[in-house]
Amino acid sequence: GQQLNQSPQSMFIQEGEDVSMNCTSSSIFNTWLWYKQDPGEGPVLLIALYKAGELTSNGRLTAQFGITRKDSFLNISASIPSDVGIYFCAGRSGSQGNLIFGKGTKLSVKP
Amino acid sequence: KAGVTQTPRYLIKTRGQQVTLSCSPISGHRSVSWYQQTPGQGLQFLFEYFSETQRNKGNFPGRFSGRQFSNSRSEMNVSTLELGDSALYLCASSLGSLSYEQYFGPGTRLTVT
Repeated sequence: GQQLNQSPQSMFIQEGEDVSMNCTSSSIFNTWLWYKQDPGEGPVLLIALYKAGELTSNGRLTAQFGITRKDSFLNISASIPSDVGIYFCAGRSGSQGNLIFGKGTKLSVKP
Repeated sequence: KAGVTQTPRYLIKTRGQQVTLSCSPISGHRSVSWYQQTPGQGLQFLFEYFSETQRNKGNFPGRFSGRQFSNSRSEMNVSTLELGDSALYLCASSLGSLSYEQYFGPGTRLTVT
């Protein structure tokens, strides 16, 4: 079946640093979504991407839909303590297909 | 606009029992999807309902079932609970059938003892 590889699994960064994470799939996707999940809560949608090459920003967050349609990237600039959490990528390969989720990147910020 | 709500937030059941979880989507959203989240398997798709019809189903046993009502509210039922069913069950709503952005509720934490 379809798989999403998300990396890194976890990272510790200094406040103010930029963060990068990515997802790669074994098949072509036509939608990429990025979510953030805080402990005890459901995932919150951060950015949605629908076209290959698309670059979209949401405040300090920027995500890109890879040209090959098999990958996506999320960057967080000037990280702050509230960026702590688990970030998930999710992709869909058809208009009716369900979302496939990566295993998440756990972000911890040193104050 | 109110977000997705799920009840109850926490639930403890014993093996062999059954459980029903409820999800109210964002107003105007007609699609409700259910996911199971565990530390080992991550987020896994259970099924999706759109206009009271199941449109898509993941690879879960028949013990997992659901339904959607005319007001788009959805329920998920798990019968004959097993220890491995302990998980966070998340509901997500979207405007259309899976082809739109999905917005998640806070989840129901189910513990099976």
